[in-house]
Amino acid sequence: DIVMTQTPLSLSVTPGQPASISCKSSQSLLHSDGKTYLYWYFQKPGQSPQLLIYGVSSRFSGVPDRISGSGSGTDFTLKISRVEAEDVGVYYCMQGIHPFTFGPGTKVDVK
Amino acid sequence: QVQLVQSGTEVKKPGASVKVSCKASGYTFTSYGISWVRQAPGQSLEWMGWISPYNGNTNLAQKFQGRVTMTTDTSTTTAYMELRSLRSDDTAFYYCARGTIFGVVISEIDYWGQGTLVTVSS
Repeated sequence: DIVMTQTPLSLSVTPGQPASISCKSSQSLLHSDGKTYLYWYFQKPGQSPQLLIYGVSSRFSGVPDRISGSGSGTDFTLKISRVEAEDVGVYYCMQGIHPFTFGPGTKVDVK
Repeated sequence: QVQLVQSGTEVKKPGASVKVSCKASGYTFTSYGISWVRQAPGQSLEWMGWISPYNGNTNLAQKFQGRVTMTTDTSTTTAYMELRSLRSDDTAFYYCARGTIFGVVISEIDYWGQGTLVTVSS
């Protein structure tokens, strides 16, 4: 199975400052169809996960443009250009090549 | 709008079975697959398996093969996940979520149910 790792596992950010989360996969997520199957999810406390990013860098509907994804192969990054109070929660990367696996999560809080 | 509404909290004894339901609305039920993902308290997410409401095909994570059954009822646009031989380490939130498998890859899992807490305790 593909193992997903994330760093850091926790992050405390001053509102208005940027934040960055790294996600690495144990194998390339570039499939033979030419697409890279890497997703980012966000889970607010007490809520279900919600999709932020699909296909490495495409924002899901309603996701603000201060949130962006990048990367290729086995190394990926989620960036928040200006952290707001509503960004508090846990961020997970997920790989979409069977069997599908999630990273351990990065907990973000605001100072 | 797309909604997935799950059944309520369950408390079960070890060795019992649980069946969680997931009522879909706001889209064509047979056009998208349903995945089931679980999350133990304070832990990350674990993909359990997937079912196609279109033809009933399933794809289960190896860990759950033989212990999980996934079904759908297209007349009520409801998906079901049954987990048997429950153990204490099955205590978790169980989520249904919309997404489709194409061969060995999965599209984005874009909408999630609210989760169903299953507690296994003697």
